[in-house]
Amino acid sequence: NAGVTQTPKFQVLKTGQSMTLQCAQDMNHNSMYWYRQDPGMGLRLIYYSASEGTTDKGEVPNGYNVSRLNKREFSLRLESAAPSQTSVYFCASSEYSLAKNIQYFGAGTRLSVL
Amino acid sequence: GENVEQHPSTLSVQEGDSAVIKCTYSDSASNYFPWYKQELGKRPQLIIDIRSNVGEKKDQRIAVTLNKTAKHFSLHITETQPEDSAVYFCAASNQGGKLIFGQGTELSVKP
Repeated sequence: NAGVTQTPKFQVLKTGQSMTLQCAQDMNHNSMYWYRQDPGMGLRLIYYSASEGTTDKGEVPNGYNVSRLNKREFSLRLESAAPSQTSVYFCASSEYSLAKNIQYFGAGTRLSVL
Repeated sequence: GENVEQHPSTLSVQEGDSAVIKCTYSDSASNYFPWYKQELGKRPQLIIDIRSNVGEKKDQRIAVTLNKTAKHFSLHITETQPEDSAVYFCAASNQGGKLIFGQGTELSVKP
């Protein structure tokens, strides 16, 4: 049981390049999330998927796209990377209910855009 | 939308002292308030959570209090230890399931 797995762990891009961050969970969770973490700004929600086949914008969606490929996998795509997208990206999943929303995080992807 | 403010941004205490971190939220519909701990270079992990129908919850040295009227909640750590040093995040969630996080508090416990 690996939990939430993110790939890659590190990535360096040039401005304008594209890439996809991969995320997979093996806990059979319905909900999945992408966050970015910048110093002094906490964790900001980029996109989330409440269930397979649905995606919604979070606080900072501009410049990103997502795909909920199936129940296990939720990918984040940067079509044309910008230096402002330099950050640490975390994927998370949860079995959301009215009583609980415990989110389990992956190890993160550290992205630098030059 | 929801907005969560967290204070202080940094907190330094002596080992054995108590630490208190405070958060306020804006959306009165929020009903779930978790706290996450993130050690340096690691992923955030849940340490305690509280729902809006409960005023206080305790787990060993950690407690969380919630004041719905004032829309604020706090994390209390007693008898702090060096291994409590980390960044702590509060968050708020409504029935939509999204978590909105505070900016984080870097806690340093000095031996």
